[in-house]
Amino acid sequence: GQQLNQSPQSMFIQEGEDVSMNCTSSSIFNTWLWYKQDPGEGPVLLIALYKAGELTSNGRLTAQFGITRKDSFLNISASIPSDVGIYFCAGQGSNYQLIWGAGTKLIIKP
Amino acid sequence: DGGITQSPKYLFRKEGQNVTLSCEQNLNHDAMYWYRQDPGQGLRLIYYSQIVNDFQKGDIAEGYSVSREKKESFPLTVTSAQKNPTAFYLCASTSTGTGRQQQYFGPGTRLTVT
Repeated sequence: GQQLNQSPQSMFIQEGEDVSMNCTSSSIFNTWLWYKQDPGEGPVLLIALYKAGELTSNGRLTAQFGITRKDSFLNISASIPSDVGIYFCAGQGSNYQLIWGAGTKLIIKP
Repeated sequence: DGGITQSPKYLFRKEGQNVTLSCEQNLNHDAMYWYRQDPGQGLRLIYYSQIVNDFQKGDIAEGYSVSREKKESFPLTVTSAQKNPTAFYLCASTSTGTGRQQQYFGPGTRLTVT
């Protein structure tokens, strides 16, 4: 099935650093969602975006719905150890199915 | 508390046996979904249901079956026809009323078939 291009695949960062990841698609989406998954758990919704150009924050997380409606990015400021995990983007087109990115694994260097 | 429950958390089966994974939600959501996740991979859609007594195949439906007899419940059966059933299975649900998709996930069931 169709997938989004999510990058980077993994990131090694120092605690306190800012993090940026993004997703791009060849299709236009009406909704962009960002999730975080901890090992062995289900993904948890972080931020939902519904309008082109929309910029939304959730604590240290900020996400934007690209103006072309084909991309979105997620930034995490001042990373902390509990930020480790896998971050997924998902886009919704005209039906109720989501198209998922392959995930960005965030690892914090000791 | 409202949410999605999946049971059991871990499930072990012998090859050739069918196994049913449970998914229940009390969020009053219309749509429910089953995904499969393999190590280091993203989510792949198995089946989804937007209304009771109706369901649609996703990208990897072969070897799986579902039912949707009640709004709250969407069990997934992994049949012996599924060639590689060992995986992490995730159930999700969403409301369809607003047109805005926000899927909420259960804790997952890790199935191991030997």
